[in-house]
Amino acid sequence: QVQLQESGPGLVKPSETLYLTCTVSGGSISTYYWSWIRQPPGKGLEWIGYIYYSGSTNYNPSLESRVTISVDTSKRQFSLKLNSVTAADTAVYYCARVQNSGTYYFHDYWGQGALVTVSS
Amino acid sequence: DIQMTQSPSSLSGSVGDRVTITCRASQTINSYLNWYQQKPGKAPRLLIYAASTLQSGVPSRFIGSGSGTDFTLTISCLQPEDFATYFCQQSYGSPYTFGQGTNLEI
Repeated sequence: QVQLQESGPGLVKPSETLYLTCTVSGGSISTYYWSWIRQPPGKGLEWIGYIYYSGSTNYNPSLESRVTISVDTSKRQFSLKLNSVTAADTAVYYCARVQNSGTYYFHDYWGQGALVTVSS
Repeated sequence: DIQMTQSPSSLSGSVGDRVTITCRASQTINSYLNWYQQKPGKAPRLLIYAASTLQSGVPSRFIGSGSGTDFTLTISCLQPEDFATYFCQQSYGSPYTFGQGTNLEI
């Protein structure tokens, strides 16, 4: 059974950088895309971006100038870095596996989520 | 960006009811539509992908349909564990946008 687990600081100061790591267990990190998705408290879901195990990335244009997603296949981890955070970046951050069936892509496994609060 | 609009935003039902949630895309997305269920404090769970394909392990009372711009998720016979928030998501084009959610409550 594939499991994903987010880790990182739960509190980040405004203008600083948010770092989160997702550790994959129970399955291979190879041959898949891996996403970060966030959800502000009481609100909907926003796709942040994904990375392929080889390192290629695709980001949401609304965040692209501040986001970097990286992967370390030897550790079965992928990471999120979000620069210059504000209170609007306060959210639960989820990592998820992207599965495909032909040309159809969907998120089939999710981490439990990590609440990150931006506050001084 | 492709906008995804769900209706209604909230919905009341009783055990045994048949309920339908609608998701409309701002442009055609063929069948590139996924449905997720989310319970409070939990991660979303994939229910349906490619508009109508049931994810493994999901009960058959969840039925997805539609193509183009208009899609529906029907729960044929509500069970107590179905009370949750439901989100649609398009995978036609980046950025992969979600609907705002439909809260299904008793």
